Amino acid sequence: TQLLEQSPQFLSIQEGENLTVYCNSSSVFSSLQWYRQEPGEGPVLLVTVVTGGEVKKLKRLTFQFGDARKDSSLHITAAQPGDTGLYLCAGFSRLSGGTSYGKLTFGQGTILTVHP
Amino acid sequence: EAGVAQSPRYKIIEKRQSVAFWCNPISGHATLYWYQQILGQGPKLLIQFQNNGVVDDSQLPKDRFSAERLKGVDSTLKIQPAKLEDSAVYLCASSLVLSFSYNEQFFGPGTRLTVL
Repeated sequence: TQLLEQSPQFLSIQEGENLTVYCNSSSVFSSLQWYRQEPGEGPVLLVTVVTGGEVKKLKRLTFQFGDARKDSSLHITAAQPGDTGLYLCAGFSRLSGGTSYGKLTFGQGTILTVHP
Repeated sequence: EAGVAQSPRYKIIEKRQSVAFWCNPISGHATLYWYQQILGQGPKLLIQFQNNGVVDDSQLPKDRFSAERLKGVDSTLKIQPAKLEDSAVYLCASSLVLSFSYNEQFFGPGTRLTVL
């Protein structure tokens, strides 16, 4: 069973601060995705990283995929109250049994609260 | 473009009762997924369909859970009989394609189930 450990589980910061969320596993993934989920809604995809060492930026958010494709980080610069939400990392891996299909395994999430 | 539709949005039942959830994916999306998200955890994949065929149901508790996608479009997830530990949000997602490397999944708002 592939597991993804996210840390921290909870993060409460003031507007303008920087933060980093980590996503770690002992397994290798074909790709890694980051989602954001708001209360009463489903997760929404923020980014997909595919290549080991890859860095992607989305405005104030920077995503990095580890060289060995086992871990990832999300860094937010100058956090704003609108960044408040549940952040989920999810690893994509091939299904067992020789199939050409894959599945997503989610981490437990990081609840971020940004205070004005 | 309409998103993934789910109904009902909320359901409260007593243990040992039956319940069914409905999902209509984005038009043209061949792949459909059902996830279970327990409070404080990330989504856990229960079953995924490619058109009307099951690709993976390894984490579906088949003694009480069943799912079908008869015409390759909408899908129904059933729990019979429900247990207290089934209290969770049930998320449906769809994607255009299913691969082993990555894909973009679009999630519905979920159905929040409370089992008393």
